[in-house]
Amino acid sequence: ELKVEQNPLFLSMQEGKNYTIYCNYSTTSDRLYWYRQDPGKSLESLFVLLSNGAVKQEGRLMASLDTKARLSTLHITAAVHDLSATYFCAVDYSNSGYALNFGKGTSLLVTP
Amino acid sequence: DTGVSQDPRHKITKRGQNVTFRCDPISEHNRLYWYRQTLGQGPEFLTYFQNEAQLEKSRLLSDRFSAERPKGSFSTLEIQRTEQGDSAMYLCASSVVGFGFGNEKLFFGSGTQLSVL
Repeated sequence: ELKVEQNPLFLSMQEGKNYTIYCNYSTTSDRLYWYRQDPGKSLESLFVLLSNGAVKQEGRLMASLDTKARLSTLHITAAVHDLSATYFCAVDYSNSGYALNFGKGTSLLVTP
Repeated sequence: DTGVSQDPRHKITKRGQNVTFRCDPISEHNRLYWYRQTLGQGPEFLTYFQNEAQLEKSRLLSDRFSAERPKGSFSTLEIQRTEQGDSAMYLCASSVVGFGFGNEKLFFGSGTQLSVL
């Protein structure tokens, strides 16, 4: 059974601090996605990581993928309140882009 | 608005009733997906279409569920004889496949929140 585990599930951090969210998965996949979801809203695509060693950055967020370790990280630099949301990682176990297996999400709260 | 749109936003029904949801994908997107999300969980894959063909169905999609995309544009998801366990957010997403294969993102709609009483 494919498992996608995120750690931590809840994170409260102060503005200006750095932190990393971890996403471990249990089966071989070369495709990993990160999404953001605000309360009551839909999911917004953040990053698509397609190969071992892939690193992508957008603003204060940076995502990386280690397919050998079956691990992806989402690093937050100098957090701001606007980053408060739930972040999901998802593994494409179909390897053709259609069937994503999502983690439970990390609920992030950035406080002043 | 050129995003993925879903209708209705909310649906309350009694157990045993049938419900139907509609999804209009982004116009040039040839793939359309249905996912289900319950509180505190990530979305779960249900099924997807490439153009009008339904190419994959999850084992989560019981016989009471049926999805169609008759002209390769909008899609409907019908649930027959609803059960309380069907209560969830039903999300539709779309993407374009063909160019830059592997780089496609799924664009999600805002979902239909189903409550079965």
